[in-house]
Amino acid sequence: EAGVTQFPSHSVIEKGQTVTLRCDPISGHDNLYWYRRVMGKEIKFLLHFVKESKQDESGMPNNRFLAERTGGTYSTLKVQPAELEDSGVYFCASSHSGFNQPQHFGDGTRLSIL
Amino acid sequence: SQQGEEDPQALSIQEGENATMNCSYKTSINNLQWYRQNSGRGLVHLILIRSNEREKHSGRLRVTLDTSKKSSSLLITASRAADTASYFCATSGTYKYIFGTGTRLKVLA
Repeated sequence: EAGVTQFPSHSVIEKGQTVTLRCDPISGHDNLYWYRRVMGKEIKFLLHFVKESKQDESGMPNNRFLAERTGGTYSTLKVQPAELEDSGVYFCASSHSGFNQPQHFGDGTRLSIL
Repeated sequence: SQQGEEDPQALSIQEGENATMNCSYKTSINNLQWYRQNSGRGLVHLILIRSNEREKHSGRLRVTLDTSKKSSSLLITASRAADTASYFCATSGTYKYIFGTGTRLKVLA
């Protein structure tokens, strides 16, 4: 089966611009997650979708970040306006339902804000 | 301080040797997972161990979990150059994972 795919793999934008990241989960996975790794820091949870509903968005840093999962398939994460501290690698993961189901990660989007 | 902390931060060994990495965490968990990340790539799931399990094997990987000490270890036996990567533990109490900063393993040929 195809894995989690993320697009773009790398994005370079200027401070104040808008960027939208996309994630296509593994087919059949109801759970979709976004994580972020800022340089030198640990990977941190941003939010969790179950189908199209936001289950937990406690990790979203502020209201400049907006995540959607229309129709419960792919998800987008929009940053508007981007700030320098938003630079990092944004990972998407998906899993089947159930607490002990492994999360499968995409290769990430490396976001650089200039 | 963070939930999952790996030890050591970096490890360099010769091919054929065993590599052991440790992870400590702070709160109760449902499961603990180990992931590998090759440079510039995503996280590859290695092993999931549930809170009621003490040891699990997968090929050359052996994971132990001690919930009384809130710690886990990952042992890679007979290491290969291809094992060179960063290794992360991730703990889960619900659905969201909490990661440590990882152990950078370098296996020298």
